[in-house]
Amino acid sequence: DAGITQSPRYKITETGRQVTLMCHQTWSHSYMFWYRQDLGHGLRLIYYSAAADITDKGEVPDGYVVSRSKTENFPLTLESATRSQTSVYFCASGGGRSEAFFGQGTRLTVV
Amino acid sequence: EDQVTQSPEALRLQEGESSSLNCSYTVSGLRGLFWYRQDPGKGPEFLFTLYSAGEEKEKERLKATLTKKESFLHITAPKPEDSATYLCAVTNLASGTYKYIFGTGTRLKVLA
Repeated sequence: DAGITQSPRYKITETGRQVTLMCHQTWSHSYMFWYRQDLGHGLRLIYYSAAADITDKGEVPDGYVVSRSKTENFPLTLESATRSQTSVYFCASGGGRSEAFFGQGTRLTVV
Repeated sequence: EDQVTQSPEALRLQEGESSSLNCSYTVSGLRGLFWYRQDPGKGPEFLFTLYSAGEEKEKERLKATLTKKESFLHITAPKPEDSATYLCAVTNLASGTYKYIFGTGTRLKVLA
């Protein structure tokens, strides 16, 4: 099916652990994005990518790492998870000139 | 710095009671303004894109309009199924890249 999928949908991890959130899109969109959504802050951009092998920081990049070796995949890694990274994470993709399309989100809890 | 402000934060309407949501933006050069709908536990769902002042888009009971400083999402005769959080986002022409900057949203509740 065409679209954008995130995995896992739910994740509980311990403080200090490394965790990777996956994002896959089937549209061949050039742009991909990672956002986190927290009460009172709305959607905040963590990292984005304009094309394979091109990534850049967003508003809140600290503690996160991304890579984009293939156009369709854009994984987000928390190198050493902290409780402040408990959030809902959304991946999105877009062609660049128009709207972005979002995945269903990953609810991450760091205990 | 690019900024998007949405008002009100929350809105309760009776079924059939029309109203408008506001999205004020500050960008050095607007490339596009986007409206999304988000239901609890789900990702934002795209509604409209507006590119220039004076532009309008309609879909069922929703109509989006754009001026040089703000956008309105008009909801005509809303139904309970219109209850959701409505998000506004902009992309900046001057930045050279397509980063979508979001407001914090308006939580709409339509009562039967």
